[in-house]
Parts: sequence; C-alpha cells; structure tokens
Amino acid sequence: RKEVEQDPGPFNVPEGATVAFNCTYSNSASQSFFWYRQDCRKEPKLLMSVYSSGNEDGRFTAQLNRASQYISLLIRDSKLSDSATYLCVVNMGYSSASKIIFGSGTRLSIRP
Amino acid sequence: DVKVTQSSRYLVKRTGEKVFLECVQDMDHENMFWYRQDPGLGLRLIYFSYDVKMKEKGDIPEGYSVSREKKERFSLILESASTNQTSMYLCASTPHGGPYGYTFGSGTRLTVV
Repeated sequence: RKEVEQDPGPFNVPEGATVAFNCTYSNSASQSFFWYRQDCRKEPKLLMSVYSSGNEDGRFTAQLNRASQYISLLIRDSKLSDSATYLCVVNMGYSSASKIIFGSGTRLSIRP
Repeated sequence: DVKVTQSSRYLVKRTGEKVFLECVQDMDHENMFWYRQDPGLGLRLIYFSYDVKMKEKGDIPEGYSVSREKKERFSLILESASTNQTSMYLCASTPHGGPYGYTFGSGTRLTVV
C-alpha cells in the first residue's frame, strides 16, 4: 500500500460546480498536511496547509480526518483556472526535516 | 517571495555523460531538496541537505550525488547519465523548523538519449 494515495482522476466538472477529492495516508503518526497545485509542465505550488480544525481560503476548504486517516480538498464555484493537478503532501514529523511524502496527484479539468 | 532558481529548463544529454543540475535559493533557507517527478509515480526524493556540506540520501539516491558548498546552492550530479534518468527534476527549499511547505524551482526537464 502506498504511504499517500490519491485518486488520479481526471475529474471533469462544469464551471461553477463543487468538486471534492480525498487523500489517504497510511502512517497514523503523520503530523502535518498540505495541498499543492501543479499546472501542466510547471512546478508544484503550495495551495494551503491542512489544520486539524479544518481551514478555508476563499473557495477552497481543506479538512483532516485523523481517525480515518484522510485529508480532503473542496473547491466551490469552480473556475476554468482551477484546472490543474492537486497534490496531497504528508509530513511524518514535526519539522521540515521530517519525512515528507507526496501523493501522485489528482487531475482536475473544469469545462466551460 | 522566496525564489528557487534552477539553471536549465530543458536539457538533452547523451548516455554516459556527467550531468550537473544547479539550484540556487535566495532566502537563506537551511534545507534544500532534489526530487524527480515521473508520471504515475509522483515526486520522489533523491537527496536532501540541512546545511552546508551536509547531505542525506532520500528514497532513490542510486546513480546520483549532490554537492552543497554554499548555503544557497545545491547541485545534483548524474555521474553517468542513463535513459532511465530521463525525468523532471525539481529542487525545493524550506527554512529550519516548521513544518513549512516547500518552495519549488521551476524544474529541469532532462532527456537522456
């Protein structure tokens, strides 16, 4: 079993729709979690950190479920510019020196 | 804004060549990382460094070495390039403490022929 798993997609949704995807992780000792966005042929960029209490940034909401060991990303009122691959990132420890695992990414395509 | 700069966007090298990939960051970050990204495999850690002259193996160090002579610069070396090292190479940096998200360079797409 992979340490961090994501549905590769693609998710193909109409503009304005709400879309959500999950990421599961295998190590219950994992401490911190992130969502990154990667555009085609570009580098990943930090979208948001995921906090235990859940957090929201505009149209984006991230949640953590430690009991079931998954994090989720919800995008409301999706825009064409949201089309990208979304990477789930799990840090096994408390610092940036800890083991960090990237998911393979979920591809999202927003259609007009 | 932290800037992580990779010296080449695209490289084509021949099998057996020695290849140098350079990465420079301008925010005095202690930690630097080299990843490769392949379709379906995600990002895999090759090497990382927490300080000058310090290096640690990641998950796939075979066929690679690194050098960190200055804090801002972290070089990845392919001692004898092979076709299975054709990939996108991404450099990243973070400050000590954290956990902080990575800041990535724009990547180097290496093709070994």
